[in-house]
Amino acid sequence: SSELTQDPAVSVALGQTVRITCQGDSLRSYYAGWYQQRPGQAPVLVIYGGNRRPSGIPDRFSGSNSRNTASLTITGTQAEDEADYYCNSRDSSSNHVIFGGGTNLTVL
Amino acid sequence: QVQLQEWGAGLLKPSETLSLTCVVSGGSLSTHSWSWIRQPPGKGLEWIGEINHTGNTNYNPSLKSRVTISVDTSKNQVSLKLTSVTAADTAVYYCARGIGDLSSWGQGTLVTVSS
Repeated sequence: SSELTQDPAVSVALGQTVRITCQGDSLRSYYAGWYQQRPGQAPVLVIYGGNRRPSGIPDRFSGSNSRNTASLTITGTQAEDEADYYCNSRDSSSNHVIFGGGTNLTVL
Repeated sequence: QVQLQEWGAGLLKPSETLSLTCVVSGGSLSTHSWSWIRQPPGKGLEWIGEINHTGNTNYNPSLKSRVTISVDTSKNQVSLKLTSVTAADTAVYYCARGIGDLSSWGQGTLVTVSS
């Protein structure tokens, strides 16, 4: 089965731009979704369909895709963006849903 | 706006059956698909399975022999059953609307398996 690989931790200075990546073979066939999870809270969908934002998600969040890599970019990072970020997709061979291991974003 | 609330027994003994219910308000069960996800303490998200709007299910292969997801539209509930639990099943369990892209999540409920 496929896996989605994320860097365990990333840091960014307040107000700067950060890119969080997710790699996996399934991303050649399926778009990634991205979820923000603040401590003690449930995940929140911030990007779906690779680059679409649900209603209420600030436009500083954007998504992109290239070959086997999906990226979540936060432009003008705010302190409240400090959280864990997870990507997910569908395994192209089994049709099962898979999650990346998560990236802990620290805002300095 | 749709709201989801999970509830069920929070403490189980090994070999017992985990039974959780997700009550959905503000939306129709029959026109959406639903998923269950879990998160062991301090770890990442794990997909458990999904049920689409026609009632077809799809389960994580590592759990498939033990898991059942069902929908009761008359009660606006989505249910999860996981048999023969062990300590490895200790986690926060979430229900969510959608399959793949999970647009709304419940707050989650902690289930602890301990003798």
